[in-house]
Amino acid sequence: GAVVSQHPSRVICKSGTSVKIECRSLDFQATTMFWYRQFPKQSLMLMATSNEGSKATYEQGVEKDKFLINHASLTLSTLTVTSAHPEDSSFYICSASRQGRSYEQYFGPGTRLTVT
Amino acid sequence: AQSVAQPEDQVNVAEGNPLTVKCTYSVSGNPYLFWYVQYPNRGLQFLLKYITGDNLVKGSYGFEAEFNKSQTSFHLKKPSALVSDSALYFCAVRVGNNAGNMLTFGGGTRLMVKP
Repeated sequence: GAVVSQHPSRVICKSGTSVKIECRSLDFQATTMFWYRQFPKQSLMLMATSNEGSKATYEQGVEKDKFLINHASLTLSTLTVTSAHPEDSSFYICSASRQGRSYEQYFGPGTRLTVT
Repeated sequence: AQSVAQPEDQVNVAEGNPLTVKCTYSVSGNPYLFWYVQYPNRGLQFLLKYITGDNLVKGSYGFEAEFNKSQTSFHLKKPSALVSDSALYFCAVRVGNNAGNMLTFGGGTRLMVKP
């Protein structure tokens, strides 16, 4: 149990376009979902925290108008990178916390975004 | 503010030898500590956690970690390393028994196990 999926696993888009990444909890209800960004050979940097039905809370330095996060249901959160630039190329990872198992986060497999 | 330090960028060990990946933390409050492993182009896989109780925590794949409050450390260990253990390891800390609280990650340590 406690499986988190992400789609797509890899995406290539052109500069100026927008791309949406989905994060799903497959077998549990996720009260909170987190979005992280990971640069090559570096650690995970938290971008934002989202609770179902509420606006996401963004970390300092993360542009909320550029990285749109929607958490419309207890099993789905989406991250949309708008007007993508090459510097947005990165590995994006989501995680979800589970109702009743409040101390654990479950991580998705990640999405590799390349902006050309 | 909470922080995690992994002082070694890379740890090299021969297969069959014991391994240690170091982690120290700084929090105000009781820490909840985690170890994750990441394989290339993959997300994080949970290895083990310390919430409360016994300071020695056993996790997946034969890994264990010891919580040392006086030294504010949570080093990851394994008695006998395997080549397949080669990966990137992250230590993380959170304050509070609420997964809605932020996880802070260390910088990661690359473990290389040579045959």
